[in-house]
Amino acid sequence: DAGITQSPRHKVTETGTPVTLRCHQTENHRYMYWYRQDPGHGLRLIHYSYGVKDTDKGEVSDGYSVSRSKTEDFLLTLESATSSQTSVYFCAISESGPGANNEQFFGPGTRLTVL
Amino acid sequence: DQQVKQNSPSLSVQEGRISILNCDYTNSMFDYFLWYKKYPAEGPTFLISISSIKDKNEDGRFTVFLNKSAKHLSLHIVPSQPGDSAVYFCAASWGGSARQLTFGSGTQLTVLP
Repeated sequence: DAGITQSPRHKVTETGTPVTLRCHQTENHRYMYWYRQDPGHGLRLIHYSYGVKDTDKGEVSDGYSVSRSKTEDFLLTLESATSSQTSVYFCAISESGPGANNEQFFGPGTRLTVL
Repeated sequence: DQQVKQNSPSLSVQEGRISILNCDYTNSMFDYFLWYKKYPAEGPTFLISISSIKDKNEDGRFTVFLNKSAKHLSLHIVPSQPGDSAVYFCAASWGGSARQLTFGSGTQLTVLP
């Protein structure tokens, strides 16, 4: 299995509080992604990174920010959590670049509940 | 507007029989397709993929078929085993520096012993 860990694995927080989720990889892969999984929607891309300090928005980026100061770490921040952000969050990594296949490898997920 | 659709939320199959999971897409720019399998409380795991230059790819019990004219792909599992019970997601990607994946909503496969 690809070396991807996510922390915390479970979190309960209150509306309006800031939350940061961490993704850590030991594979030295260039690309990292944050998804959320909700019933009926599959996995939807929030933000992704194509290198240190290089990030871009995905399909559902509103209310989220990311940072990548090191190759191995990709942080997802909810500046002010809302109940609509209750979800399961998955981090993924990929070594692919232009012209290559894109098999992404996923972490175990973080279940976030916003009350 | 969902660009990748899995219209069957669930499928039940008897052990030993064939499981066929379907996926449709609308974006003709997609050039690479993948299937992922997900067990509860775990992250999705890559299963099999196919490039748009092929119409079939096989890996053991798993075969993916691509029909570009119909914008349709399917995953065949033969023979199905109880351990195959999971949610299956199809995903598609196209060119670009990060080659983002667009996922379908998933199909829950239950293989009955």
